[in-house]
Amino acid sequence: GAVVSQHPSRVICKSGTSVKIECRSLDFQATTMFWYRQFPKKSLMLMATSNEGSKATYEQGVEKDKFLINHASLTLSTLTVTSAHPEDSSFYICSARDRADKPLAKNIQYFGAGTRLSVL
Amino acid sequence: SQQGEEDPQALSIQEGENATMNCSYKTSINNLQWYRQNSGRGLVHLILIRSNEREKHSGRLRVTLDTSKKSSSLLITASRAADTASYFCATDYAWSFGNEKLTFGTGTRLTIIP
Repeated sequence: GAVVSQHPSRVICKSGTSVKIECRSLDFQATTMFWYRQFPKKSLMLMATSNEGSKATYEQGVEKDKFLINHASLTLSTLTVTSAHPEDSSFYICSARDRADKPLAKNIQYFGAGTRLSVL
Repeated sequence: SQQGEEDPQALSIQEGENATMNCSYKTSINNLQWYRQNSGRGLVHLILIRSNEREKHSGRLRVTLDTSKKSSSLLITASRAADTASYFCATDYAWSFGNEKLTFGTGTRLTIIP
């Protein structure tokens, strides 16, 4: 159980184009999903917290107009990198938290396999 | 920054030996978790230890937590080649009720030599 699917796994695009990344919880409902960015051999940096049915909460320094997040259902959140530039090239990872009411379940995050974005 | 530090940054050991990784953090926490990441992949949750616990076991994993020192350690016993991965500690602090987010440490890259 607790499978998160992230798609696509790899995308190469031209500078100026927009790229959409999907994150789906396959066997549980996720009120909250998280979007991270990871540079080579570095830790995960939280970009934003995505809440179903409401606006995402962005971390300081993350441009909300650049990284559009939509969480339209309890199983799907999308991240759109708008007008991508080479500096946006990175590894993007999503995670989801089970909405179950178990005391500790909500603290565990289940991760997608990540999306490698390369902007030419 | 709330980000924790992990030590060592990289560790190479022979298969069968034990591997120990340490994590230090900065703020008061509700719990601490360890995650594993294979190269180019997402993270997999390994174990969670609550702030009022001092030690926890899961299979070949042993985690300790010292809240007075704001540190934790992860011990992998009888290592296997398949344990080669990066290991991250993650701490949470409640920024609003029910919306705890995780802060990840810098990670330890573990290489098991067959």
